[in-house]
Amino acid sequence: QQQVKQSPQSLIVQKGGISIINCAYENTAFDYFPWYQQFPGKGPALLIAIRPDVSEKKEGRFTISFNKSAKQFSLHIMDSQPGDSATYFCAATARGGNKLTFGTGTQLKVEL
Amino acid sequence: GAGVSQSPSNKVTEKGKDVELRCDPISGHTALYWYRQRLGQGLEFLIYFQGNSAPDKSGLPSDRFSAERTGESVSTLTIQRTQQEDSAVYLCASSLDRALYGYTFGSGTRLTVV
Repeated sequence: QQQVKQSPQSLIVQKGGISIINCAYENTAFDYFPWYQQFPGKGPALLIAIRPDVSEKKEGRFTISFNKSAKQFSLHIMDSQPGDSATYFCAATARGGNKLTFGTGTQLKVEL
Repeated sequence: GAGVSQSPSNKVTEKGKDVELRCDPISGHTALYWYRQRLGQGLEFLIYFQGNSAPDKSGLPSDRFSAERTGESVSTLTIQRTQQEDSAVYLCASSLDRALYGYTFGSGTRLTVV
């Protein structure tokens, strides 16, 4: 019940295209859903996060869409750029939770 | 410091040796986490420290793994009698209070057991 399932495992997108990464969870107590971006040789960095009281959150080219009834959330990267090539992790935690549960990661490559 | 600092950045050790990995969290961050990342895989929770509370050790894979943290400062992760399957990147993160404030990760220690 603590799992967060992430797909796809890898993704290739053309420059200017939309990258979409999906995550699903089972634990209905989860109420904070961040996305992390990791470049090779670096630790993951917080990219954007959402709480279930909203269905969408946008920051620049990055948007989280949240479907509470389906227990799914997704990251959309608009106008994808080669600099967006990285591994993306979704995560979740419950209110008052002391640790994040991470998805298995999606390796994104944006080609010219 | 400005970020989470981990040392060493790379460590090659022989099977059966003990290793000690260090994490220096962001000043003022009461929560500290260790995660393991095997090649091409996700982040596996190991242990969590919060202030002076008893640590959450539920993710430690075996009794060869242990970690300490003094107060809200430096933490060390020790792996005894290393095995080849311990080869991974060990990531440390700190947080202002709880997970919902977001983690700040260090760059990790890449451990290779030969």
